[in-house]
Amino acid sequence: DAKTTQPPSMDCAEGRAANLPCNHSTISGNEYVYWYRQIHSQGPQYIIHGLKNNETNEMASLIITEDRKSSTLILPHATLRDTAVYYCIVRRPNTGTASKLTFGTGTRLQVTL
Amino acid sequence: DTEVTQTPKHLVMGMTNKKSLKCEQHMGHRAMYWYKQKAKKPPELMFVYSYEKLSINESVPSRFSPECPNSSLLNLHLHALQPEDSALYLCASSQSTSGGYEQFFGPGTRLTVL
Repeated sequence: DAKTTQPPSMDCAEGRAANLPCNHSTISGNEYVYWYRQIHSQGPQYIIHGLKNNETNEMASLIITEDRKSSTLILPHATLRDTAVYYCIVRRPNTGTASKLTFGTGTRLQVTL
Repeated sequence: DTEVTQTPKHLVMGMTNKKSLKCEQHMGHRAMYWYKQKAKKPPELMFVYSYEKLSINESVPSRFSPECPNSSLLNLHLHALQPEDSALYLCASSQSTSGGYEQFFGPGTRLTVL
């Protein structure tokens, strides 16, 4: 699976948009970009994933660059409950063996008043 | 029901004990996973089950023994653990092991080995 690079930490004011970048310059054409987050002492929570097109759901938006070498997770109106470690993961599709989810070090997002 | 449950929430065991962690899901998922997470580190994959068969073992020591008795249940049997095995053990499930499906995680079992 392609390696990802994320900033170790970011701050965001409550109510503002949080934009979390992820670099995945070695991504292959058929690999997905996944985002998970982990609130302290809880299990990771799925946020969103995409292949080529931008995606939006009730939690966030995922913007993938045209060359697919980087992406940005956008939380449109961050709240204190969004304080967590956010993981960007590149994951290959099933090619006969199970597709693994390999977590990197993630970005620790701190939302403040 | 979109929940993965894990029991117990906390477990303290000695190095000579035998204990088991339990994971359950009722989403009809056919893939289940065990992860280990040390403090301030990301989760690391241990085992993957697909259709109740072991699909991936990430070179985990034999003192950890997984079992998938049916499609809804996943156990992790622990024997002769070491203090360095103390960690948060996370279970997850997904519709299949294909890369297009998200994994749903349980809250974890926090294990302390004395």
